[in-house]
Amino acid sequence: GESVGLHLPTLSVQEGDNSIINCAYSNSASDYFIWYKQESGKGPQFIIDIRSNMDKRQGQRVTVLLNKTVKHLSLQIAATQPGDSAVYFCAENIRGGKLIFGQGTELSVKP
Amino acid sequence: KAGVTQTPRYLIKTRGQQVTLSCSPISGHRSVSWYQQTPGQGLQFLFEYFSETQRNKGNFPGRFSGRQFSNSRSEMNVSTLELGDSALYLCASSLAEWENEQFFGPGTRLTVL
Repeated sequence: GESVGLHLPTLSVQEGDNSIINCAYSNSASDYFIWYKQESGKGPQFIIDIRSNMDKRQGQRVTVLLNKTVKHLSLQIAATQPGDSAVYFCAENIRGGKLIFGQGTELSVKP
Repeated sequence: KAGVTQTPRYLIKTRGQQVTLSCSPISGHRSVSWYQQTPGQGLQFLFEYFSETQRNKGNFPGRFSGRQFSNSRSEMNVSTLELGDSALYLCASSLAEWENEQFFGPGTRLTVL
């Protein structure tokens, strides 16, 4: 499954499929970007980050892509599992200690 | 290593009251940031402290204030509570002044009646 547009609040995928969550950021001076996962009743949990001098970074089952030309971030989750169900936020860091968050995308994984 | 802790976890107040929320960062972390999370506005930055000094501040009214102690623990205070202050207040800590990765606590759920 793939989210359509930058402001789609909900993404529903089948277990085992790949998920792509998109995000637009606002400030061209941002030099650091993070994806967070937030489960119900918990605080945001760090997933993966990327610095502005990179355009791709891979983690375990996750990949972040950065397109500075259009100020766009994406998070790809391979072989999505029910435990991946959560709200995903992108965040940009302009200077240390202050994060600007996107609105979030709710990922729902159907077994 | 223990994570970021926040107390209390839940709080109910009435309009006009004030409230103080507490955050204990991860041991060794010196930067503490506060965020407000609401369904309508999402996650919004309140302020950030490093070595007992406020370094960054978001666009919130002066009713919202904070401080950091010498052991890096932080408190935030909201005076003259309004219904719209009902939210999840999240605290995040990071290791050093220019460290970007922030670790979040579970939050304090504030309900204003």
